[in-house]
Amino acid sequence: GQSLEQPSEVTAVEGAIVQINCTYQTSGFYGLSWYQQHDGGAPTFLSYNALDGLEETGRFSSFLSRSDSYGYLLLQELQMKDSASYFCAVRDNKDSSYKLIFGSGTRLLVRP
Amino acid sequence: DADVTQTPRNRITKTGKRIMLECSQTKGHDRMYWYRQDPGLGLRLIYYSFDVKDINKGEISDGYSVSRQAQAKFSLSLESAIPNQTALYFCATSDEGSRGYTFGSGTRLTVV
Repeated sequence: GQSLEQPSEVTAVEGAIVQINCTYQTSGFYGLSWYQQHDGGAPTFLSYNALDGLEETGRFSSFLSRSDSYGYLLLQELQMKDSASYFCAVRDNKDSSYKLIFGSGTRLLVRP
Repeated sequence: DADVTQTPRNRITKTGKRIMLECSQTKGHDRMYWYRQDPGLGLRLIYYSFDVKDINKGEISDGYSVSRQAQAKFSLSLESAIPNQTALYFCATSDEGSRGYTFGSGTRLTVV
């Protein structure tokens, strides 16, 4: 079957660094994405990794290791507004649909 | 105006009723998706469409149907609503050039 595993909840302090891990087991793999969702809001796209390595976008970085079927999202200089749920998602098919399989999400709570 | 608009935002309906959720987009994207979100389960794919002539089932299509009336419009129908279809429904779009999805604001559906 297809599965993505990520921690259900993470707590961190404002100004700190937090890492949210994602391991996946899918029939195919063509990229790992991360999305942020605030309570009551829509998911918004954060990052996409198709190749191994680290990609940095401002305070957020995303890492992928295809050999380990593993990736993570790194959030630096945490701010209160980063409190949200974070979802990893895998594109498991090379067809033109670009459909994604989502993990169940990690709820991040940033404390003062 | 939002790039991806979903209507209605909230809906309460009775068991056995037919209901339609609508999605329209101004992104010009050819791919459109319907996802369902339940607490602790992440987002699960219901249906997706490459273009007007192409409709595909996702992992949880039973009890749902869709219509792609135009490139910009993709509607989801529940022919006979049941209480376990109570959930948050998201429409999303993408195209070959986009690295991630653009989501609508969601429709919160309650079946009583």
